[in-house]
Amino acid sequence: AQSVTQPDIHITVSEGASLELRCNYSYGATPYLFWYVQSPGQGLQLLLKYFSGDTLVQGIKGFEAEFKRSQSSFNLRKPSVHWSDAAEYFCAVVEPNSGYALNFGKGTSLLVTP
Amino acid sequence: DAGVIQSPRHEVTEMGQEVTLRCKPISGHNSLFWYRQTMMRGLELLIYFNNNVPIDDSGMPEDRFSAKMPNASFSTLKIQPSEPRDSAVYFCASSQQGGDYGYTFGSGTRLTVV
Repeated sequence: AQSVTQPDIHITVSEGASLELRCNYSYGATPYLFWYVQSPGQGLQLLLKYFSGDTLVQGIKGFEAEFKRSQSSFNLRKPSVHWSDAAEYFCAVVEPNSGYALNFGKGTSLLVTP
Repeated sequence: DAGVIQSPRHEVTEMGQEVTLRCKPISGHNSLFWYRQTMMRGLELLIYFNNNVPIDDSGMPEDRFSAKMPNASFSTLKIQPSEPRDSAVYFCASSQQGGDYGYTFGSGTRLTVV
C-alpha cells in the first residue's frame, strides 16, 4: 500500500545541535516530496520540496533534505537547531500520475532544549 | 496576497447542530483541498476540487459531510448533523495545478462538538 512513514514521533535535541528527521515512502514510482512545518495553533508552512534533479534540496530557515532513491527516503536536516525550530514536522508526497493531493506522514514533534 | 483565508478560526457547537466551515483560496489557484487533523489520524485529505469541480471525495468520512465550491474564490465544508468525533482542526489549502505544486494552507478552523 502507498504510504509515507515518519518513524520518530518525538525527537529532542539541544539548541545548537544538528538535526535529522526521517521520512520514508512506499510508492510505485518516485513521488514528489515535501517537508512542512507546523507551529502550535498554526497552519502548515512549506520548508522545501523535491521533484527531480539535484538530490540535495535547500529550503527555508536553514533546512535541507536529501532524496535517496535506493532507500526511498527524504530526510530533513539542519546543522544547528534554534529554539524557534520547536514544532511539528510533516513529510508529504504527491504521486504525480495518480492524483494531485498531498499525502502526509504522521509527523515528528521536535523539542529543543537549552 | 492575503493567503488562504479560513473562517471561523474556532467553532464550538452542540452535537446535532449544523456546522459550516468556509475557505477563500488564493486568487489564481485552481485547486482546493480540505484536510482534517486529529491526534489519532494525523492529516487526512477529505476532498479536493479542481476548477471548482470535486475530483476526489473518497476521504469524506460520512454522508454527514458535504463540500461545495460554487466559484473559484469560495468553498464550504458542511457537517450536518455534527457529532463529538468530528472535533478536529480543519484545514483548507489551495494550489495552481500544473504549476510548482505550491500548496498554501490556511490557518485552520478548530472545531469542538460538545
